[in-house]
Amino acid sequence: NAGVTQTPKFQVLKTGQSMTLQCAQDMNHEYMSWYRQDPGMGLRLIHYSVGAGITDQGEVPNGYNVSRSTTEDFPLRLLSAAPSQTSVYFCASSPGAGWRQETQYFGPGTRLLVL
Amino acid sequence: AQSVTQLGSHVSVSEGALVLLRCNYSSSVPPYLFWYVQYPNQGLQLLLKYTSAATLVKGINGFEAEFKKSETSFHLTKPSAHMSDAAEYFCAPPMEYGNKLVFGAGTILRVKS
Repeated sequence: NAGVTQTPKFQVLKTGQSMTLQCAQDMNHEYMSWYRQDPGMGLRLIHYSVGAGITDQGEVPNGYNVSRSTTEDFPLRLLSAAPSQTSVYFCASSPGAGWRQETQYFGPGTRLLVL
Repeated sequence: AQSVTQLGSHVSVSEGALVLLRCNYSSSVPPYLFWYVQYPNQGLQLLLKYTSAATLVKGINGFEAEFKKSETSFHLTKPSAHMSDAAEYFCAPPMEYGNKLVFGAGTILRVKS
């Protein structure tokens, strides 16, 4: 199993550009989520999904869109990038059955720089 | 929804010294609590988790944590620090639908030679 994969590893954008961060998992996990990590701020939840076709907002959803058309994929879209979105983005998944006790499995991250 | 508080954003210890990273939780007795570790330039990985089966939980790399209801704490310890333990450590409550706050702020552990 590849686990949770993220692409790209690093991206530079100009203000106003759009892009999609890709996340895929091959563990048949129901639950997937996106976090951003900033110095001194820890990890903050952006969006999450409890299954295909179901998404919900996390702590910091503004400026980001998600969709979940398949169990495996959970892309994160930046519609109009802003410098405040410069961060490291992590995707995570967990099995979802009795998910309060589930371990989250993280991807390697995508470093995004918005100029 | 539950939340956790990590005390100390940075902790520095000498190699071979005791490691103590603090985490306190809010709410009534939680059924689950987690510690994750993030090594430099990597994603997070599970260090250990409390599942109500035992109050003392052993994790990977010699770490353990004790759930203390009377103190609402779940502190992470290791008897003897190693240079390879230098990382950021996150305490986390269980995932719950609608809970948007799912990780502590993190504690960066520095190990001095």
